[in-house]
Amino acid sequence: AQSVTQLDSQVPVFEEAPVELRCNYSSSVSVYLFWYVQYPNQGLQLLLKYLSGSTLVKGINGFEAEFNKSQTSFHLRKPSVHISDTAEYFCAVSGEYNNNDMRFGAGTRLTVKP
Amino acid sequence: NAGVTQTPKFRVLKTGQSMTLLCAQDMNHEYMYWYRQDPGMGLRLIHYSVGEGTTAKGEVPDGYNVSRLKKQNFLLGLESAAPSQTSVYFCASSLLAGPSSYNEQFFGPGTRLTVL
Repeated sequence: AQSVTQLDSQVPVFEEAPVELRCNYSSSVSVYLFWYVQYPNQGLQLLLKYLSGSTLVKGINGFEAEFNKSQTSFHLRKPSVHISDTAEYFCAVSGEYNNNDMRFGAGTRLTVKP
Repeated sequence: NAGVTQTPKFRVLKTGQSMTLLCAQDMNHEYMYWYRQDPGMGLRLIHYSVGEGTTAKGEVPDGYNVSRLKKQNFLLGLESAAPSQTSVYFCASSLLAGPSSYNEQFFGPGTRLTVL
């Protein structure tokens, strides 16, 4: 089965600063990769996904992520964060041929300070 | 179009009690999922269903049962609740999943369950 490690449990940044949330995965098969965002007391919302093709994927709210197969990473970036980006972010992986079994990382809490 | 809804939003149980969580989706999705979310552990898949009348075990199925009698509903049951089942439960659905297919899961708002 696949697994995901999010390297930072908490990331505090100041408004308008850049941010990177790190995600590494482990799998013996080809994978699909996802980033989800969870605002307080809400369900998860898809930010972006990598299925195939270009390794740089762009998502909603100005976020982007880069798939690096050799480093088994899928880091999430935003060049300038806003207060409204404060949330919990989850990296997730599923096998290309069994993507019912999606594995999530433990989450990274991004706190944007004024 | 309500998307994915969950009932109830909050519940407190005593050890040994039983209850059923209801998930409903109005997007005609084939696949439905139940997850639990615990601090520092992200979401873990409990059970899932690939269509009406079918269910399968996920990563942490013990202590839970599920049923998918109608395509739009996915029920999660706790027959004898334990404090270890205190968690936030999320339901999700997706249009399809399979080789080389896109599998965006749409999540409900969650049910916060406390077992005393």
